[in-house]
Amino acid sequence: TQLLEQSPQFLSIQEGENLTVYCNSSSVFSSLQWYRQEPGEGPVLLVTVVTGGEVKKLKRLTFQFGDARKDSSLHITAAQPGDTGLYLCAGATGNQFYFGTGTSLTVIP
Amino acid sequence: SQTIHQWPATLVQPVGSPLSLECTVEGTSNPNLYWYRQAAGRGLQLLFYSVGIGQISSEVPQNLSASRPQDRQFILSSKKLLLSDSGFYLCVWTANTEAFFGQGTRLTVV
Repeated sequence: TQLLEQSPQFLSIQEGENLTVYCNSSSVFSSLQWYRQEPGEGPVLLVTVVTGGEVKKLKRLTFQFGDARKDSSLHITAAQPGDTGLYLCAGATGNQFYFGTGTSLTVIP
Repeated sequence: SQTIHQWPATLVQPVGSPLSLECTVEGTSNPNLYWYRQAAGRGLQLLFYSVGIGQISSEVPQNLSASRPQDRQFILSSKKLLLSDSGFYLCVWTANTEAFFGQGTRLTVV
């Protein structure tokens, strides 16, 4: 069961373009995280959001938690080749911790 | 300090052979522990989670099983591996809103 659906699944863009990745669910989460993962390694935490409607900015990355705490988005401004990787959202609900289906981003120089 | 260990890092096993992946946690007690599997370029699929010794919840019915013989030990097993069991397996420990990841195991069933 995949509680968290990410879109798009794959994304290939030119350097300098903007993009948005979505993480959607019908379930409510107490917190939601975004991770970036390199091949063969574990995910690295980018941000945690806990309040509905919360917006956090990390340099060129903007994260938003939906008002109902069921969805989130990640927006990257002026993408760079170093942004290439697999982006995962993850949500905590009770004792369970679910990861999203993943978005594979390629930024072409 | 809080750390999580997972081994082995890579494993090549023939179809029909058994499997045992081990994960141990240090620096905490009564952690929530999880086993995930990841296909190439995709998200992590939750396989099992455990909130305490002997307490295992299975998310996906399959060829695998999990056990928690000690508070800080979580084991993923199979009696007979299938080709479809190949993948990247991650052990995860959560504390409040943060997750800590094992090094991962790349399993190839041949």
